[in-house]
Amino acid sequence: AQSVTQLDSQVPVFEEAPVELRCNYSSSVSVYLFWYVQYPNQGLQLLLKYLSGSTLVESINGFEAEFNKSQTSFHLRKPSVHISDTAEYFCAVSTRRGGFKTIFGAGTRLFVKA
Amino acid sequence: DTEVTQTPKHLVMGMTNKKSLKCEQHMGHRAMYWYKQKAKKPPELMFVYSYEKLSINESVPSRFSPECPNSSLLNLHLHALQPEDSALYLCASSSVATNEKLFFGSGTQLSVL
Repeated sequence: AQSVTQLDSQVPVFEEAPVELRCNYSSSVSVYLFWYVQYPNQGLQLLLKYLSGSTLVESINGFEAEFNKSQTSFHLRKPSVHISDTAEYFCAVSTRRGGFKTIFGAGTRLFVKA
Repeated sequence: DTEVTQTPKHLVMGMTNKKSLKCEQHMGHRAMYWYKQKAKKPPELMFVYSYEKLSINESVPSRFSPECPNSSLLNLHLHALQPEDSALYLCASSSVATNEKLFFGSGTQLSVL
């Protein structure tokens, strides 16, 4: 079975400051790793994903995440946040062996202050 | 077209009502999902359809009845719901072959009175 732990339920940060949202996972098989973002009153949108290859993955809006197999982590970072980054961020895993169960972490509320 | 469209966006129903939630996608995805999301919680998987056949039912009460009439449509029929069923219901789709990424709709905010 897989599980996902997001270590922070809320992260307040000032605009233009760096931020890190932490995610650890547990799985006995290889996994795909994802970060999804949810803005108020909307569904989830994929932010970035790790499938294989380079352990550092980037999104088009400046976020990046690094897959660390030894620490079973997939932390999300951004060097300079904007007010518009305020949202709920979910780390998720699904297995490579098929099936359709994506397991979501509890979520981290990123609140960017002016 | 990379959208998953859900209707209605909001629904208020009584405990004796029957209603349906609808979901549509035209990305050629053959896996479709229903998730339930309570406020400030992650989405919880309810049902998965693969090639229009029910693949996963996460022990959901029978008052929720899914239906996949064709490869583009997914319905969730609701009957005799309880107030604790009030939540955001999210539809999602994905490729069966790659299972890489979920595309979500904006959801239906359901209130059961």
